[in-house]
Amino acid sequence: GAVVSQHPSRVICKSGTSVKIECRSLDFQATTMFWYRQFPKQSLMLMATSNEGSKATYEQGVEKDKFLINHASLTLSTLTVTSAHPEDSSFYICSADGHEYGYTFGSGTRLTVV
Amino acid sequence: SQKIEQNSEALNIQEGKTATLTCNYTNYSPAYLQWYRQDPGRGPVFLLLIRENEKEKRKERLKVTFDTTLKQSLFHITASQPADSATYLCALGRTDSWGKLQFGAGTQVVVTP
Repeated sequence: GAVVSQHPSRVICKSGTSVKIECRSLDFQATTMFWYRQFPKQSLMLMATSNEGSKATYEQGVEKDKFLINHASLTLSTLTVTSAHPEDSSFYICSADGHEYGYTFGSGTRLTVV
Repeated sequence: SQKIEQNSEALNIQEGKTATLTCNYTNYSPAYLQWYRQDPGRGPVFLLLIRENEKEKRKERLKVTFDTTLKQSLFHITASQPADSATYLCALGRTDSWGKLQFGAGTQVVVTP
């Protein structure tokens, strides 16, 4: 089946620093990947669509300068949370179209900003 | 505004019984609906997809129905097992924005032996 690998699974960073999260499709190519954020007991909220070789498209209310997305290859998309603050603490998840396997999600990254 | 509602209360069910979950939506015309399983601290795992022109889909012990008139999907787990304990999410999508899913908050299912 289609597998999406996401790293790191957990990260703790100091306020004001930047954190990079990687999302890789292991056995398929993904021209498009999606980044979601999930707060406790809440639904996943789509943040942005990552397009290979072009700029990401962001959902309304998501700051593109704060959440930098790079999709440099057909198997890798990265999300960088810049100048992180405690309110950015959340569970970040990526997904890609695994074709007949449905949308395949990464295992998520728990970001804690202290 | 678009709204997707799933029962926020946990569903406690005895092993062997059928668990039935509901997903209702408003102000939305989805082309397809998906159900996912999510375990604590993990990403969602795809279970089933049903399209707007389909009434019912089955996969092993899982069954999904989709009523676009009622704007509702039902998700059934038959012969439930303790290993089925998890949170189940419904997600809606449209063909003009393939891959961009709108999720419900999920319903937690607890299956006791």
